[in-house]
Amino acid sequence: SQQGEEDPQALSIQEGENATMNCSYKTSINNLQWYRQNSGRGLVHLILIRSNEREKHSGRLRVTLDTSKKSSSLLITASRAADTASYFCATDKLSDKLIFGTGTRLQVFP
Amino acid sequence: GAVVSQHPSRVICKSGTSVKIECRSLDFQATTMFWYRQFPKQSLMLMATSNEGSKATYEQGVEKDKFLINHASLTLSTLTVTSAHPEDSSFYICSASPSPTAYGYTFGSGTRLTVV
Repeated sequence: SQQGEEDPQALSIQEGENATMNCSYKTSINNLQWYRQNSGRGLVHLILIRSNEREKHSGRLRVTLDTSKKSSSLLITASRAADTASYFCATDKLSDKLIFGTGTRLQVFP
Repeated sequence: GAVVSQHPSRVICKSGTSVKIECRSLDFQATTMFWYRQFPKQSLMLMATSNEGSKATYEQGVEKDKFLINHASLTLSTLTVTSAHPEDSSFYICSASPSPTAYGYTFGSGTRLTVV
């Protein structure tokens, strides 16, 4: 079953622009994670934000978490063509099982 | 660190045959591994939790007799798709972590299964 949904489902931007993806989830969580997947490949862990954190940065990535709204956002600043991929949020349902959102397909045009 | 290796990356098999997929943690021990299935342009669906030395825990709707999981050592879990049918064609991915709350999960590169 899906824990949450992401929007938009697809996003197309030009290099240099910022990309924002949103994730909503349904149940209480320990933490929320964001992953990236290039077409036909495995997933790469990007960032983990704990339920008691509100914002986290890693390079060009900025993640926010609002547990009252059960939502998170991933911001990629100064996007590059190499950022083209699918991005998934995932939450653990208090049991270490990761449940994924529906994903956002990001296309960055050079 | 935290490397997960999955093999094979692609496999084509005939209907009715069985296919085994391996997932190995190369530089850490994994008492728990997870198996996911992904259809084209869709998200990952958790199939089962593989537990070293004990039975796997399957998610609702996943046939345990169809998808056999064995986790005989701290570095290896296998998923066997038995009596494969074309509808079993999918992308299967495993994951594990030395410390989920600290590092998140590391995923294998996935296995593209095509049943003809």
